[in-house]
Amino acid sequence: KQEVTQIPAALSVPEGENLVLNCSFTDSAIYNLQWFRQDPGKGLTSLLLIQSSQREQTSGRLNASLDKSSGRSTLYIAASQPGDSATYLCAVHSNYQLIWGAGTKLIIKP
Amino acid sequence: DADVTQTPRNRITKTGKRIMLECSQTKGHDRMYWYRQDPGLGLRLIYYSFDVKDINKGEISDGYSVSRQAQAKFSLSLESAIPNQTALYFCATSDNERGYTDTQYFGPGTRLTVL
Repeated sequence: KQEVTQIPAALSVPEGENLVLNCSFTDSAIYNLQWFRQDPGKGLTSLLLIQSSQREQTSGRLNASLDKSSGRSTLYIAASQPGDSATYLCAVHSNYQLIWGAGTKLIIKP
Repeated sequence: DADVTQTPRNRITKTGKRIMLECSQTKGHDRMYWYRQDPGLGLRLIYYSFDVKDINKGEISDGYSVSRQAQAKFSLSLESAIPNQTALYFCATSDNERGYTDTQYFGPGTRLTVL
């Protein structure tokens, strides 16, 4: 059974720092992996989707990597800003379902 | 206007009551989903529908039922609510051009409390 883990559960860093969020999964047979952002009262927003054949995807200050063989993905946020404060969730498409991690709550201190 | 809307946004009810959560979308997507989110846990799939005539159980369908009234509408019902169904409920949609692996678009969520 696919399991997705995100560590740490919470992270607080000063504004301007670069940071990395981690996601690990137990079964490497995935179709793709997605990173989402969750803001209170606003639902979830897709940030990046990495197909199983890809190694990374970039969007602005965000870069997501995927290493299927080791069951790991990272989300790199460059030059963090207070507006990046949110909960970040990763989800893997596996066996025709999205399997979700519990998320990392990120706080960027001004 | 939001592409995926959910009503109500918040609901407090009592054990044993029947509750319906509604989801509407203007994205024109065929595929719709219902998830629940509990503190400290990832989202879990309750039901999904690939078109109006196709309804499928997800990981945690017990205690829930759904209705796909139209392409744009997908409702989730709790026939007899119980306290452990207290959670944040999300509706999502995706198109079907590339199968299940497409990006999903989420509504703002419904916070349900069962006393």
